[in-house]
Amino acid sequence: GAVVSQHPSWVICKSGTSVKIECRSLDFQATTMFWYRQFPKQSLMLMATSNEGSKATYEQGVEKDKFLINHASLTLSTLTVTSAHPEDSSFYICSARDPGQYEQFFGPGTRLTVL
Amino acid sequence: AQSVTQPDIHITVSEGASLELRCNYSYGATPYLFWYVQSPGQGLQLLLKYFSGDTLVQGIKGFEAEFKRSQSSFNLRKPSVHWSDAAEYFCAVGPARNYGQNFVFGPGTRLSVLP
Repeated sequence: GAVVSQHPSWVICKSGTSVKIECRSLDFQATTMFWYRQFPKQSLMLMATSNEGSKATYEQGVEKDKFLINHASLTLSTLTVTSAHPEDSSFYICSARDPGQYEQFFGPGTRLTVL
Repeated sequence: AQSVTQPDIHITVSEGASLELRCNYSYGATPYLFWYVQSPGQGLQLLLKYFSGDTLVQGIKGFEAEFKRSQSSFNLRKPSVHWSDAAEYFCAVGPARNYGQNFVFGPGTRLSVLP
């Protein structure tokens, strides 16, 4: 199957700083990427849908100014958590959809800890 | 409203025993159905999917699932569980032929395996 990578796999930052997480589709071009947040022992919560070359579509309750999403190329989407606070600590997972296939391919996730 | 339920939050089975994880969905359109597995601190791996045709689908790692339209169910089964199957399992549904729309995930079932 298709491969999606995320970088970094884990990050620790101080409160008030910004953190960028990258999501890359390694062997296909992804016109659509999704960003999820997952709290411990819970399911995935969709944060936003990212389409290459256009603005991301955010789910209700997700602050677009806090979670900046950029999908500048067909293989890269980035999520920037701005002015991070401890409540932003979570596991962030991206997925990408290969236009030739229906299912989503998931990255390995990024563990963010805000001190 | 679109929703996916997984009635069992946590299941414990002995190694070598059979397994069935339940999934029920409520979906207005023709659904595509998926099962994903997540090991601790990892992303999601696709186990199997159902788009159309034979309602019994085979997946990786010896898993299979049966789609029952009349019951709106897509239960996951494995005849003999291995200790390495301990993980979190998510059922998901997506709209048929709508590549731009996201999936709806169930809350997950945590599987523990006793030696």
